[in-house]
Amino acid sequence: TQLLEQSPQFLSIQEGENLTVYCNSSSVFSSLQWYRQEPGEGPVLLVTVVTGGEVKKLKRLTFQFGDARKDSSLHITAAQPGDTGLYLCAGLDDKIIFGKGTRLHILP
Amino acid sequence: DAGVIQSPRHEVTEMGQEVTLRCKPISGHNSLFWYRQTMMRGLELLIYFNNNVPIDDSGMPEDRFSAKMPNASFSTLKIQPSEPRDSAVYFCASSPREAPNTGELFFGEGSRLTVL
Repeated sequence: TQLLEQSPQFLSIQEGENLTVYCNSSSVFSSLQWYRQEPGEGPVLLVTVVTGGEVKKLKRLTFQFGDARKDSSLHITAAQPGDTGLYLCAGLDDKIIFGKGTRLHILP
Repeated sequence: DAGVIQSPRHEVTEMGQEVTLRCKPISGHNSLFWYRQTMMRGLELLIYFNNNVPIDDSGMPEDRFSAKMPNASFSTLKIQPSEPRDSAVYFCASSPREAPNTGELFFGEGSRLTVL
């Protein structure tokens, strides 16, 4: 069974700080996605990474796919209260599976 | 454009009752997914359809759960009889491409089910 482990489970930091959250697996995925979910809503796609070692930037968010395509990280620079939410990674292979997520809270 | 539409948004029912959750995918999308989300287990894939045909239902917990997609614009997830451990938020998602190479999933707002 493929599993995606996300860490940390919870993170609460002050506005303006930097942070990194991780998504790890023992399995290789053809691609990996990051979603953000806000309370009462469904997840919304942020980015898809496909190539090992790939780095994608979305404003203050930087996503990296591991060289072996088994892990990924999300780095947020100068976090803002609007970044608060549940960040989910999803691995794509013969099916799409999700990690349990990192619940991020940015304090103003 | 309308996104994925789910109903009901909230359902409270008693153990043993039948529950039917409904989903209208985005028009033109070719695949549809049902997920269940709990704090303990996260987002679990229950079943997915390509072009209205069930492809993989290995995530359906047991025979009490069934899903249908009679046409391209409607799907149901039925639980009969319901149990308290079925309490969760159930999400429907659709994609313009066939699974597993779906690319982006577009999620509905979810149906929060509470079984007493």
